[in-house]
Amino acid sequence: QQQVKQSPQSLIVQKGGISIINCAYENTAFDYFPWYQQFPGKGPALLIAIRPDVSEKKEGRFTISFNKSAKQFSLHIMDSQPGDSATYFCAASYNNNDMRFGAGTRLTVKP
Amino acid sequence: DAGVTQSPTHLIKTRGQHVTLRCSPISGHKSVSWYQQVLGQGPQFIFQYYEKEERGRGNFPDRFSARQFPNYSSELNVNALLLGDSALYLCASRFAGGEGQYFGPGTRLTVT
Repeated sequence: QQQVKQSPQSLIVQKGGISIINCAYENTAFDYFPWYQQFPGKGPALLIAIRPDVSEKKEGRFTISFNKSAKQFSLHIMDSQPGDSATYFCAASYNNNDMRFGAGTRLTVKP
Repeated sequence: DAGVTQSPTHLIKTRGQHVTLRCSPISGHKSVSWYQQVLGQGPQFIFQYYEKEERGRGNFPDRFSARQFPNYSSELNVNALLLGDSALYLCASRFAGGEGQYFGPGTRLTVT
Protein backbone atom coordinates (compact mmCIF):
# COMPACT_ATOMS: atom_id res chain seq x y z
CA GLN A 1 0.00 0.00 0.00
CA GLN A 2 3.02 2.24 0.42
CA GLN A 3 2.90 4.82 -2.32
CA VAL A 4 5.12 7.41 -0.65
CA LYS A 5 8.75 6.68 0.19
CA GLN A 6 10.46 8.91 2.74
CA SER A 7 14.11 9.31 3.66
CA PRO A 8 16.09 9.42 5.83
CA GLN A 9 14.61 7.37 8.67
CA SER A 10 16.43 9.51 11.20
CA LEU A 11 18.35 12.77 11.09
CA ILE A 12 20.58 14.56 13.57
CA VAL A 13 21.27 18.24 12.99
CA GLN A 14 23.08 20.88 15.02
CA LYS A 15 21.13 23.90 16.28
CA GLY A 16 21.04 26.52 13.55
CA GLY A 17 21.61 24.01 10.77
CA ILE A 18 19.36 23.01 7.87
CA SER A 19 17.25 19.84 8.10
CA ILE A 20 16.29 18.24 4.79
CA ILE A 21 13.79 15.39 4.44
CA ASN A 22 12.92 13.83 1.09
CA CYS A 23 9.90 12.02 -0.29
CA ALA A 24 9.05 10.29 -3.55
CA TYR A 25 5.60 9.31 -4.75
CA GLU A 26 4.32 6.94 -7.40
CA ASN A 27 0.76 7.93 -8.24
CA THR A 28 0.67 10.82 -10.71
CA ALA A 29 -2.98 11.47 -9.75
CA PHE A 30 -1.85 12.85 -6.38
CA ASP A 31 -2.47 16.57 -6.25
CA TYR A 32 -1.95 17.54 -2.62
CA PHE A 33 1.30 17.09 -0.69
CA PRO A 34 1.33 18.02 3.03
CA TRP A 35 3.97 17.64 5.70
CA TYR A 36 3.03 16.76 9.25
CA GLN A 37 4.95 17.12 12.51
CA GLN A 38 4.29 14.67 15.32
CA PHE A 39 5.51 14.83 18.91
CA PRO A 40 5.43 11.71 21.14
CA GLY A 41 1.93 10.95 22.41
CA LYS A 42 0.31 13.49 20.10
CA GLY A 43 -1.52 13.39 16.80
CA PRO A 44 0.19 14.69 13.63
CA ALA A 45 -0.03 18.46 13.16
CA LEU A 46 -0.23 19.99 9.69
CA LEU A 47 2.93 21.97 9.05
CA ILE A 48 2.88 23.08 5.43
CA ALA A 49 1.43 21.77 2.15
CA ILE A 50 1.87 22.26 -1.58
CA ARG A 51 -0.02 21.58 -4.79
CA PRO A 52 1.85 20.46 -7.96
CA ASP A 53 1.28 23.71 -9.84
CA VAL A 54 4.06 25.41 -7.84
CA SER A 55 7.68 24.35 -7.36
CA GLU A 56 8.29 25.88 -3.94
CA LYS A 57 6.34 27.14 -0.94
CA LYS A 58 7.80 28.85 2.10
CA GLU A 59 6.23 29.47 5.49
CA GLY A 60 8.59 30.91 8.08
CA ARG A 61 11.52 28.54 8.54
CA PHE A 62 9.79 25.73 6.60
CA THR A 63 10.06 25.32 2.82
CA ILE A 64 8.65 22.64 0.52
CA SER A 65 10.45 22.05 -2.78
CA PHE A 66 8.45 20.15 -5.39
CA ASN A 67 9.72 18.42 -8.55
CA LYS A 68 6.75 17.16 -10.55
CA SER A 69 8.76 15.47 -13.32
CA ALA A 70 10.83 13.50 -10.80
CA LYS A 71 7.78 12.83 -8.58
CA GLN A 72 9.73 14.05 -5.56
CA PHE A 73 9.27 16.68 -2.88
CA SER A 74 11.25 17.72 0.13
CA LEU A 75 10.97 19.66 3.38
CA HIS A 76 13.70 22.10 4.38
CA ILE A 77 13.82 23.41 7.96
CA MET A 78 16.07 26.43 8.17
CA ASP A 79 17.79 27.49 11.41
CA SER A 80 16.74 24.22 13.06
CA GLN A 81 15.97 24.50 16.79
CA PRO A 82 15.84 21.88 19.58
CA GLY A 83 12.07 22.45 19.72
CA ASP A 84 11.87 21.14 16.14
CA SER A 85 12.90 17.69 17.39
CA ALA A 86 9.97 15.49 16.38
CA THR A 87 8.92 12.93 13.78
CA TYR A 88 8.05 14.38 10.39
CA PHE A 89 5.76 12.69 7.87
CA CYS A 90 5.26 13.52 4.24
CA ALA A 91 1.96 12.57 2.66
CA ALA A 92 0.20 12.62 -0.68
CA SER A 93 -3.43 12.46 -1.69
CA TYR A 94 -5.89 13.09 -4.47
CA ASN A 95 -8.17 15.99 -3.65
CA ASN A 96 -7.18 15.87 0.04
CA ASN A 97 -8.85 12.49 0.50
CA ASP A 98 -7.41 9.18 1.79
CA MET A 99 -3.97 10.49 2.50
CA ARG A 100 -0.95 8.19 1.97
CA PHE A 101 1.85 8.77 4.44
CA GLY A 102 5.56 8.12 4.33
CA ALA A 103 7.18 6.06 7.07
CA GLY A 104 8.42 9.12 8.95
CA THR A 105 11.74 10.79 9.77
CA ARG A 106 12.81 11.20 13.37
CA LEU A 107 14.60 14.57 13.61
CA THR A 108 16.88 15.38 16.52
CA VAL A 109 18.28 18.90 16.77
CA LYS A 110 21.27 19.06 19.11
CA PRO A 111 21.80 22.27 21.10
CA ASP B 1 -11.69 26.84 19.04
CA ALA B 2 -11.67 23.18 20.03
CA GLY B 3 -9.68 20.87 17.82
CA VAL B 4 -10.58 17.31 16.91
CA THR B 5 -11.40 15.35 20.05
CA GLN B 6 -11.21 11.59 20.49
CA SER B 7 -12.27 9.22 23.23
CA PRO B 8 -11.13 7.28 25.05
CA THR B 9 -7.45 8.26 25.31
CA HIS B 10 -6.27 4.76 26.11
CA LEU B 11 -7.94 1.38 25.93
CA ILE B 12 -6.86 -2.15 26.79
CA LYS B 13 -8.81 -5.04 25.27
CA THR B 14 -8.44 -8.80 25.02
CA ARG B 15 -8.16 -10.76 21.77
CA GLY B 16 -11.60 -11.53 20.31
CA GLN B 17 -13.34 -8.57 21.93
CA HIS B 18 -14.73 -5.63 20.04
CA VAL B 19 -14.02 -1.92 20.52
CA THR B 20 -15.71 1.38 19.67
CA LEU B 21 -13.67 4.55 19.27
CA ARG B 22 -15.24 8.00 19.05
CA CYS B 23 -14.32 11.23 17.30
CA SER B 24 -15.74 14.75 17.27
CA PRO B 25 -14.54 16.90 14.37
CA ILE B 26 -13.69 20.57 14.41
CA SER B 27 -16.87 22.66 14.31
CA GLY B 28 -17.92 23.18 10.70
CA HIS B 29 -15.94 20.22 9.38
CA LYS B 30 -18.16 17.68 7.67
CA SER B 31 -15.50 15.20 6.55
CA VAL B 32 -13.97 12.73 8.99
CA SER B 33 -11.24 10.19 8.26
CA TRP B 34 -9.81 7.38 10.37
CA TYR B 35 -6.19 6.23 10.35
CA GLN B 36 -4.26 3.47 12.11
CA GLN B 37 -0.71 4.26 13.21
CA VAL B 38 1.41 1.32 14.29
CA LEU B 39 4.41 2.26 16.44
CA GLY B 40 7.28 3.52 14.31
CA GLN B 41 5.23 3.82 11.12
CA GLY B 42 3.19 6.43 9.31
CA PRO B 43 -0.61 6.55 9.60
CA GLN B 44 -2.53 4.14 7.35
CA PHE B 45 -5.87 5.25 5.92
CA ILE B 46 -8.89 3.23 7.09
CA PHE B 47 -12.07 5.17 6.21
CA GLN B 48 -13.33 8.54 5.10
CA TYR B 49 -16.87 9.80 5.72
CA TYR B 50 -18.50 12.90 4.35
CA GLU B 51 -22.06 13.97 5.05
CA LYS B 52 -22.69 10.63 6.77
CA GLU B 53 -21.70 8.58 3.70
CA GLU B 54 -18.59 6.45 3.25
CA ARG B 55 -16.42 8.11 0.62
CA GLY B 56 -13.30 5.98 0.85
CA ARG B 57 -11.99 2.77 2.39
CA GLY B 58 -8.42 1.63 2.83
CA ASN B 59 -7.03 -1.90 2.72
CA PHE B 60 -8.44 -3.12 6.03
CA PRO B 61 -10.53 -6.26 6.74
CA ASP B 62 -14.29 -6.21 7.22
CA ARG B 63 -13.74 -6.41 10.98
CA PHE B 64 -13.28 -2.64 10.73
CA SER B 65 -16.40 -0.51 10.26
CA ALA B 66 -17.35 3.07 10.88
CA ARG B 67 -20.23 5.48 10.72
CA GLN B 68 -20.87 9.20 10.88
CA PHE B 69 -23.74 10.80 12.75
CA PRO B 70 -25.94 13.80 11.83
CA ASN B 71 -23.74 16.06 14.02
CA TYR B 72 -20.70 14.85 11.98
CA SER B 73 -19.14 12.96 14.87
CA SER B 74 -17.95 9.48 14.02
CA GLU B 75 -17.38 6.03 15.47
CA LEU B 76 -14.85 3.40 14.45
CA ASN B 77 -15.71 -0.17 15.37
CA VAL B 78 -13.33 -3.09 15.33
CA ASN B 79 -14.62 -6.62 15.90
CA ALA B 80 -12.76 -9.81 16.82
CA LEU B 81 -9.67 -7.93 17.94
CA LEU B 82 -6.25 -9.34 17.07
CA LEU B 83 -2.91 -8.58 18.71
CA GLY B 84 -1.92 -6.80 15.48
CA ASP B 85 -4.73 -4.28 15.96
CA SER B 86 -2.70 -2.68 18.76
CA ALA B 87 -1.99 0.83 17.48
CA LEU B 88 -2.77 4.51 17.79
CA TYR B 89 -6.08 5.23 16.05
CA LEU B 90 -6.28 8.73 14.67
CA CYS B 91 -9.26 10.72 13.54
CA ALA B 92 -8.87 13.67 11.19
CA SER B 93 -11.41 16.21 10.02
CA ARG B 94 -11.45 18.76 7.24
CA PHE B 95 -13.65 21.47 5.87
CA ALA B 96 -15.34 20.53 2.60
CA GLY B 97 -13.14 21.85 -0.19
CA GLY B 98 -10.62 23.10 2.33
CA GLU B 99 -6.91 22.52 2.58
CA GLY B 100 -5.44 20.06 5.04
CA GLN B 101 -6.72 17.39 7.38
CA TYR B 102 -6.54 18.13 11.09
CA PHE B 103 -5.79 15.27 13.43
CA GLY B 104 -6.97 14.53 16.94
CA PRO B 105 -4.65 13.22 19.67
CA GLY B 106 -5.62 9.62 18.94
CA THR B 107 -6.79 6.62 20.95
CA ARG B 108 -4.06 4.21 22.03
CA LEU B 109 -5.49 0.68 21.73
CA THR B 110 -3.62 -2.22 23.29
CA VAL B 111 -4.84 -5.75 22.57
CA THR B 112 -3.55 -8.45 24.95
